[in-house]
Amino acid sequence: IQLTQSPSLLSASVGDRVTLSCKGSQNINNYLAWYQQKLGEAPKLLIYKTNSLQTGIPSRFSGSGSGTDYTLTISSLHSEDLATYYCYQYNNGLTFGSGTKLEIK
Amino acid sequence: EVQLVETGGGLVQPGRSLKLSCVASGFTFSSYWMYWIRQAPGKGLEWVSSINTDGGSTYYPDSVKGRFTISRDNAENTVYLQMNSLRSEDTATYYCAKDRYYDGTYYPFDYWGQGVMVTVSS
Repeated sequence: IQLTQSPSLLSASVGDRVTLSCKGSQNINNYLAWYQQKLGEAPKLLIYKTNSLQTGIPSRFSGSGSGTDYTLTISSLHSEDLATYYCYQYNNGLTFGSGTKLEIK
Repeated sequence: EVQLVETGGGLVQPGRSLKLSCVASGFTFSSYWMYWIRQAPGKGLEWVSSINTDGGSTYYPDSVKGRFTISRDNAENTVYLQMNSLRSEDTATYYCAKDRYYDGTYYPFDYWGQGVMVTVSS
């Protein structure tokens, strides 16, 4: 399964509601996770099984979707959310999307 | 506290070999599958290999199959990645990671190491 993330680059202001997209080439059956990677750091698990928030992750992060289309939403952008976000499917094989780089205006 | 510490990276010539190690602590290592994931400079993430709890089953993508071998030593809490016939396109930061299956819920790659850099160049 291939994953296509859009946009590849997103610029937003603190306080904005931000939506990142991930589209699979086949049905992912909700086995979709999201990772946040800050510059120079290892990725961090944010969301698993489409919409379950990992322990310790702020509630401004949420996930949704079904079938082939999935979304990560940040309800109110904080400056520390500057990072690249990757979706990852584990329904059929193990594949990552190409990432969305989130910039703060 | 869960910790994963990778070592063994460095500069290696094309066609040569290198072996990475990842020492785990803070959890019952022998109960978890382990993984290697890599990231080429400025690029995205790529799953490289998986190994089950007793080391009897291993998995690879086509890009490394036949060249890379994952193994583990549960007595030493260590997972290895033997990389042979290295190519320039194998240049990347290599991360080890674990997952978790608890109370009917699966958590993919819930902990990662800090990564180790491998550079393949003449």
